[in-house]
Amino acid sequence: GENVEQHPSTLSVQEGDSAVIKCTYSDSASNYFPWYKQELGKRPQLIIDIRSNVGEKKDQRIAVTLNKTAKHFSLHITETQPEDSAVYFCAAPDSGTYKYIFGTGTRLKVLA
Amino acid sequence: KAGVTQTPRYLIKTRGQQVTLSCSPISGHRSVSWYQQTPGQGLQFLFEYFSETQRNKGNFPGRFSGRQFSNSRSEMNVSTLELGDSALYLCASSPGGTADEQYFGPGTRLTVT
Repeated sequence: GENVEQHPSTLSVQEGDSAVIKCTYSDSASNYFPWYKQELGKRPQLIIDIRSNVGEKKDQRIAVTLNKTAKHFSLHITETQPEDSAVYFCAAPDSGTYKYIFGTGTRLKVLA
Repeated sequence: KAGVTQTPRYLIKTRGQQVTLSCSPISGHRSVSWYQQTPGQGLQFLFEYFSETQRNKGNFPGRFSGRQFSNSRSEMNVSTLELGDSALYLCASSPGGTADEQYFGPGTRLTVT
């Protein structure tokens, strides 16, 4: 089955700096990689995703890159703002099933 | 479209009791997945339903069960509650194919005393 590892577990950056969160996966058949943002007391929200037929996807200040050879994908947040402070989760599908395996989360703190 | 809804939002139960949680997916979505979220274990997959059939199950004891109705609404039940069952229970809906986008509900916060 799929295994997803996420690093770092906590990340503090100064406002305006960039933040990078990395996830590795084990199943080479995995083909879809979403990222979720969960603010305190709220539901996880899908913020960006990437499919295995592309290497990078951007949406304003956030981007996701995928390296299929190395089996890792990363979330990049540029020009961080205090409202980016949250826990971020990566996920990958357990191929052959309909379930997702989530990373353990990264708590991002953007310091004003 | 309305988002995923879950009821109740908060529950307090005592050990040994049972509880039923409800999830209504996004209109048109036929798959509902359930997750347990705890500070130490992150998001753990419980089970997934599609067209009233359980297609996948996670590694939870048989005290955790679920079902789905013909309108795609889903319920999960936990019997003989234990202190360790205290958690945020999240459901997520998707159209139902593999590698579909999943959208989460607000969760039910269960506290077992």
